[in-house]
Amino acid sequence: GAVVSQHPSWVICKSGTSVKIECRSLDFQATTMFWYRQFPKQSLMLMATSNEGSKATYEQGVEKDKFLINHASLTLSTLTVTSAHPEDSSFYICSLSGSGAYEQYFGPGTRLTVT
Amino acid sequence: AQSVTQPDIHITVSEGASLELRCNYSYGATPYLFWYVQSPGQGLQLLLKYFSGDTLVQGIKGFEAEFKRSQSSFNLRKPSVHWSDAAEYFCAVVRNTGGFKTIFGAGTRLFVKA
Repeated sequence: GAVVSQHPSWVICKSGTSVKIECRSLDFQATTMFWYRQFPKQSLMLMATSNEGSKATYEQGVEKDKFLINHASLTLSTLTVTSAHPEDSSFYICSLSGSGAYEQYFGPGTRLTVT
Repeated sequence: AQSVTQPDIHITVSEGASLELRCNYSYGATPYLFWYVQSPGQGLQLLLKYFSGDTLVQGIKGFEAEFKRSQSSFNLRKPSVHWSDAAEYFCAVVRNTGGFKTIFGAGTRLFVKA
């Protein structure tokens, strides 16, 4: 399967600032990428789906102006949390999917803490 | 609407004992079913998947799962649990109508006691 990295693995930022999280596929051409949010002891909640070369599709209830997703290439996607607030503190996970496949390859996640 | 139910929030088994984690799905068409495992500090890892064919599927780390259409279930099993199996397990179904989307169950935390 594909190897996916996320950077940073954890980040602490002050309320009102923006944070960028990178998701990289190290050995796989990813036509579709997903961003999830996971609260403690809960399941993964899909935030958005992005396809290389097009805009991301956001799930209902997810603010697209707050969570900016850029699928810059087949190996890189970024999630920027703009004007972060404490309620944005969470574990953010990206995953990749190849064309025609339903399997996903997950990054290790990024722990965001907003103070 | 599609959904995945994992009835057990957590399960504790003794090392060496057998394990069964339950998963029920709600999906109108033939489902694409997955089991993932999440260990602390690591990303979700695919254990096994079912698309079609043989309803008993083998996965990595000695896990297997059986698809039962009549019961809308896809339970995960392992004959002998190892301490390293302690983790969070997620059952998932892929919806492929109106776009590819994976729907995850709430997860089952497995504790292994010596």
